[in-house]
Amino acid sequence: RKEVEQDPGPFNVPEGATVAFNCTYSNSASQSFFWYRQDCRKEPKLLMSVYSSGNEDGRFTAQLNRASQYISLLIRDSKLSDSATYLCVVENSGYALNFGKGTSLLVTP
Amino acid sequence: ETGVTQTPRHLVMGMTNKKSLKCEQHLGHNAMYWYKQSAKKPLELMFVYNFKEQTENNSVPSRFSPECPNSSHLFLHLHTLQPEDSALYLCASSQESPGLASLGEDTQYFGPGTRLTVL
Repeated sequence: RKEVEQDPGPFNVPEGATVAFNCTYSNSASQSFFWYRQDCRKEPKLLMSVYSSGNEDGRFTAQLNRASQYISLLIRDSKLSDSATYLCVVENSGYALNFGKGTSLLVTP
Repeated sequence: ETGVTQTPRHLVMGMTNKKSLKCEQHLGHNAMYWYKQSAKKPLELMFVYNFKEQTENNSVPSRFSPECPNSSHLFLHLHTLQPEDSALYLCASSQESPGLASLGEDTQYFGPGTRLTVL
């Protein structure tokens, strides 16, 4: 089983829609969890950390379910500028990050 | 310069060449990383340096040789590469210490990457 698994998509949604991405991880000892955003041919940039209690940043909501080893990202009121690849990232011991393959999102007018 | 910089941004080399990738971070961090991003594959961690000491080597072939002369600079020396080594090589840095993870302050910041093509 891969360490971090995501649905690659693509997810094609109209502007204003709500879209959710899911991610599962295999290492139950994983310490920290993140969502990164990667635009085409650019480096990944941190979108938000994911905390056990769930957290929200504007239109973005992240949730973590440690029992199911599952992380989610919800984007409300999608904008054209949200089009990107969203990487689910899990940090194990030694500070190393394990990346999922990413989920591609295309928001259309 | 701010953040994490990488040079060169693009590199084309033959299989017999020797070249080096350079990464520099201006964030005062104490840990640096090399990642490889191949087409249609997740980012793969290659090496981790913490306080200039290599703490992780993810079974990377010896034709890749990292060097970390100080906490701000990281090099990846390349020698007799194969065409399948063509990829985007990303450098990242972070501030690592116990307790920072829970504060969300151990974020890894990435450089723009070097796009490497091996002919």
